[in-house]
Amino acid sequence: DVKVTQSSRYLVKRTGEKVFLECVQDMDHENMFWYRQDPGLGLRLIYFSYDVKMKEKGDIPEGYSVSREKKERFSLILESASTNQTSMYLCASSFVAGGGQETQYFGPGTRLLVL
Amino acid sequence: AQSVTQLDSQVPVFEEAPVELRCNYSSSVSVYLFWYVQYPNQGLQLLLKYLSGSTLVKGINGFEAEFNKSQTSFHLRKPSVHISDTAEYFCAVRESGGYQKVTFGTGTKLQVIP
Repeated sequence: DVKVTQSSRYLVKRTGEKVFLECVQDMDHENMFWYRQDPGLGLRLIYFSYDVKMKEKGDIPEGYSVSREKKERFSLILESASTNQTSMYLCASSFVAGGGQETQYFGPGTRLLVL
Repeated sequence: AQSVTQLDSQVPVFEEAPVELRCNYSSSVSVYLFWYVQYPNQGLQLLLKYLSGSTLVKGINGFEAEFNKSQTSFHLRKPSVHISDTAEYFCAVRESGGYQKVTFGTGTKLQVIP
């Protein structure tokens, strides 16, 4: 079974703090993704990576950065947390099946509250 | 650019009744279509996907979906729901080829009433 783990289920931070969210997958997947999930808005892609040290902006990258130094690990960084970044953050991974057929496997999510 | 619309944000249905969750997409090229389910306090997991071939796709837990190209729809159905089907369901679309991203709908919360 594919396993995607996220470092925290719940996180409370203060405005202006630097926040690290970590994601690890154990299936040697090339692709990894970070989404945020908000009520009524569904999932929105923040960043994705299709290889080590590679990253691509998604739909809402502002205020976020990412790091992928190892294939199994993809980190999301909030340089200076703001209250509008309070959300559920979901990490996903997939292997390259060719042409977009791949299934994404999701972690359990991190619920972040910024005060 | 691709987009996906889930017309219903919430769908209440009695246990053992049939249900249909609607999904429409927009794209100028061929697409792959997915339905994911999210149980409370969990991440998403794949229910089923349409890649090509037969337009009727069967997934896990008795769900099925039908791809209708002329109506650009991919509605999800189950003939008899259980309490355990209470969850949020997301339709997703991806244009075939390359590193195209997946676009998710806004989700439909299915509430099964005993």
